[in-house]
Amino acid sequence: QKEVEQNSGPLSVPEGAIASLNCTYSDRGSQSFFWYRQYSGKSPELIMSIYSNGDKEDGRFTAQLNKASQYVSLLIRDSQPSDSATYLCAVIPTGTASKLTFGTGTRLQVTL
Amino acid sequence: NAGVTQTPKFQVLKTGQSMTLQCAQDMNHNSMYWYRQDPGMGLRLIYYSASEGTTDKGEVPNGYNVSRLNKREFSLRLESAAPSQTSVYFCASSDMGRTGELFFGEGSRLTVL
Repeated sequence: QKEVEQNSGPLSVPEGAIASLNCTYSDRGSQSFFWYRQYSGKSPELIMSIYSNGDKEDGRFTAQLNKASQYVSLLIRDSQPSDSATYLCAVIPTGTASKLTFGTGTRLQVTL
Repeated sequence: NAGVTQTPKFQVLKTGQSMTLQCAQDMNHNSMYWYRQDPGMGLRLIYYSASEGTTDKGEVPNGYNVSRLNKREFSLRLESAAPSQTSVYFCASSDMGRTGELFFGEGSRLTVL
């Protein structure tokens, strides 16, 4: 079982809709969770971090964490064509300090 | 405002050749990382360095060596390149701790023939 699992997509949503990206992780003791965005041919960049159960909102982005279900999600409201990218879920597993483990990423396509 | 700088950006090698990927950061970060990214495989950690003078293996260290030359620089060496090492390599740096924000270089695309 991979430590961090994501559906590779592509996930296609129309402009203005809500995009929902999901991620599950295997290490129940993980405490820190992140979403990175990667445009094609570019390097990843951090868009959200979350450490506690519940929701965390930042502009059009909301990260949701459910530790009991070992599930992290990212919601993007009012999706724009510029949101089209691959979204990488990352976790710091127990006892690994700052070593992030990444999922394979979900490709999001926002259509006009 | 350089951030993390990687060289070279592109390289073609023949099987068995050696090369070193260079990485330097100007953000005074303690931790530095080397990842490789392959289609369908996501980012996989090769080696990391929590601080100057220390290095640790990641998920896929075989065939690679690293050197943390000083706080700024972290190099990745392929001693005898293999086609399986064809990939995009990313160097990253961060402050130690739970923030998890990695700052990535632009990547180095390596092809081994």
